[in-house]
Amino acid sequence: GAGVSQSPSNKVTEKGKDVELRCDPISGHTALYWYRQSLGQGLEFLIYFQGNSAPDKSGLPSDRFSAERTGGSVSTLTIQRTQQEDSAVYLCASSSPDVTYNEQFFGPGTRLTVL
Amino acid sequence: SQQGEEDPQALSIQEGENATMNCSYKTSINNLQWYRQNSGRGLVHLILIRSNEREKHSGRLRVTLDTSKKSSSLLITASRAADTASYFCATVRTRSGNTGKLIFGQGTTLQVKP
Repeated sequence: GAGVSQSPSNKVTEKGKDVELRCDPISGHTALYWYRQSLGQGLEFLIYFQGNSAPDKSGLPSDRFSAERTGGSVSTLTIQRTQQEDSAVYLCASSSPDVTYNEQFFGPGTRLTVL
Repeated sequence: SQQGEEDPQALSIQEGENATMNCSYKTSINNLQWYRQNSGRGLVHLILIRSNEREKHSGRLRVTLDTSKKSSSLLITASRAADTASYFCATVRTRSGNTGKLIFGQGTTLQVKP
């Protein structure tokens, strides 16, 4: 594809339900990031995948959050037992392997609303 | 907070004027990047400046970096209504474990009036 795609674009769920957010990175980009943007916390790093290496999960806010990346491409971010404070825009980004000095390409985001 | 500071938080100017946004950060960095965001959705990369660089230009954009003061500025010259957006600085820390993860500032909302 031409860019990073994310689905769904909007998700409304009830408190306590589980949600899955999907990210398709740019073909050939081995690095994949999830970020979260909320009014109170701004833009925050959540998790990073690079090839077959162990992911950097240091930004995940609680054990209700998990993510996987299958086949080194598509990634899914799962939030279990959602809470109202999980409401935010979840952004995915991908980058070529030289992550230190390369720009990240962002998807349009998934706006999650927890009622 | 892990985030840096940006000022001003909001800026309103007339088309044709220059816009300057400032960013400060807290730790040593590999590089600093500026991103633009329209309508609260995806971010678009504008420019990257490495820690050993002091100034960089790209079209109407000029970025400076002062590592001694841990600060950067983004100048947009001859602004256009289409430049209306939120602008974020983001740093890649020296000790990021080579992940390239971005630490974002709080952003500046720029409005350019026609």
